[in-house]
Amino acid sequence: DAKTTQPPSMDCAEGRAANLPCNHSTISGNEYVYWYRQIHSQGPQYIIHGLKNNETNEMASLIITEDRKSSTLILPHATLRDTAVYYCIVRGENTDKLIFGTGTRLQVFP
Amino acid sequence: NAGVTQTPKFQVLKTGQSMTLQCAQDMNHNSMYWYRQDPGMGLRLIYYSASEGTTDKGEVPNGYNVSRLNKREFSLRLESAAPSQTSVYFCASSEAGRTQYFGPGTRLLVL
Repeated sequence: DAKTTQPPSMDCAEGRAANLPCNHSTISGNEYVYWYRQIHSQGPQYIIHGLKNNETNEMASLIITEDRKSSTLILPHATLRDTAVYYCIVRGENTDKLIFGTGTRLQVFP
Repeated sequence: NAGVTQTPKFQVLKTGQSMTLQCAQDMNHNSMYWYRQDPGMGLRLIYYSASEGTTDKGEVPNGYNVSRLNKREFSLRLESAAPSQTSVYFCASSEAGRTQYFGPGTRLLVL
């Protein structure tokens, strides 16, 4: 599975968009990009995933570059409850295994 | 629909004691997983089960055993606990190749 690189921490003002970057330069054609978050030591929560196209759901948007070497998770209107560690994970098509890195600690401030 | 449940929530053991962590899911998923998370780290896969009756080692299986009791339940056993096994343990389930859903975790302290 491809390795991902994320900044260790980021800040965002409440109500503003939070843009969390992820590099996955060794990603292969059949590998998906997944995003999870973990709020204060709770179990990780699924946010969104994508292969090539940009994706949007009720929680967030996922923008994947055309070369697929990086992606950005966008929380359009961050709230204090979005303060969490966000994990970007690349998962192969034929495996169920998720390889977690250390993620990005997002702090949303009032 | 409770999703993934884990028991107990907290446990304190002495070195050498044994215990079993329980996990159950009500989503009719075929695949189940056990992870551990040490302070400041991401999750690491201990064991997983792709279907009832099958189990496979993950990244850090040493010191653990698992049992896929039926489709709903997947237990993790520590035969002789060590301080290095102090961690938070998460169970997850999924359909094959699909999104994993996690339980709330079991916090284990081994003295």
